[in-house]
Amino acid sequence: DAGITQSPRHKVTETGTPVTLRCHQTENHRYMYWYRQDPGHGLRLIHYSYGVKDTDKGEVSDGYSVSRSKTEDFLLTLESATSSQTSVYFCATTGTDSTDTQYFGPGTRLTVL
Amino acid sequence: GQQVMQIPQYQHVQEGEDFTTYCNSSTTLSNIQWYKQRPGGHPVFLIQLVKSGEVKKQKRLTFQFGEAKKNSSLHITATQTTDVGTYFCAGGTSYGKLTFGQGTILTVHP
Repeated sequence: DAGITQSPRHKVTETGTPVTLRCHQTENHRYMYWYRQDPGHGLRLIHYSYGVKDTDKGEVSDGYSVSRSKTEDFLLTLESATSSQTSVYFCATTGTDSTDTQYFGPGTRLTVL
Repeated sequence: GQQVMQIPQYQHVQEGEDFTTYCNSSTTLSNIQWYKQRPGGHPVFLIQLVKSGEVKKQKRLTFQFGEAKKNSSLHITATQTTDVGTYFCAGGTSYGKLTFGQGTILTVHP
């Protein structure tokens, strides 16, 4: 597997609090992605980045923001967490071509009470 | 936008039976990828198909890409308990986007 780590791996928080998830990669990959995985919905793209400070929205971006100040780090922020954002969040990276193989991190299980 | 539909959503088989999952896109794809996610794990890349009508094999797994490059299938012969997990297809488009199907959850009963 590519060198992708996610932190924290598990988090429980309360409705209305801000939450930041971190994805760190050591592969110098250009593209980075945040997905959420929920039963019956597969992997849904939240936001992605195609370079430092270059980001764009995915299909389920409402309530989420991202930042990428360095090639290796991609942060996902839930501005005010809601129970509907309880999910497993995966970060993924791709090297030179945005339709090439995606390498996934281990995931973060987030519970919003 | 582009949609990638995958069926069935669930499949329960007895060990030794065959298994197939199908993937259909609303648009022509530049490539199709398949991933496997073990329970509690993360998706892991299995294979990529690029050419129209392409067929690739990995031991008991056979992957096909349709002639029109809008559909694909993954067939597992003689399933084993180690095959359990969720299988995802992901379609790439010419404008640089990869869209995942909903996945098929495979359960293998010993």
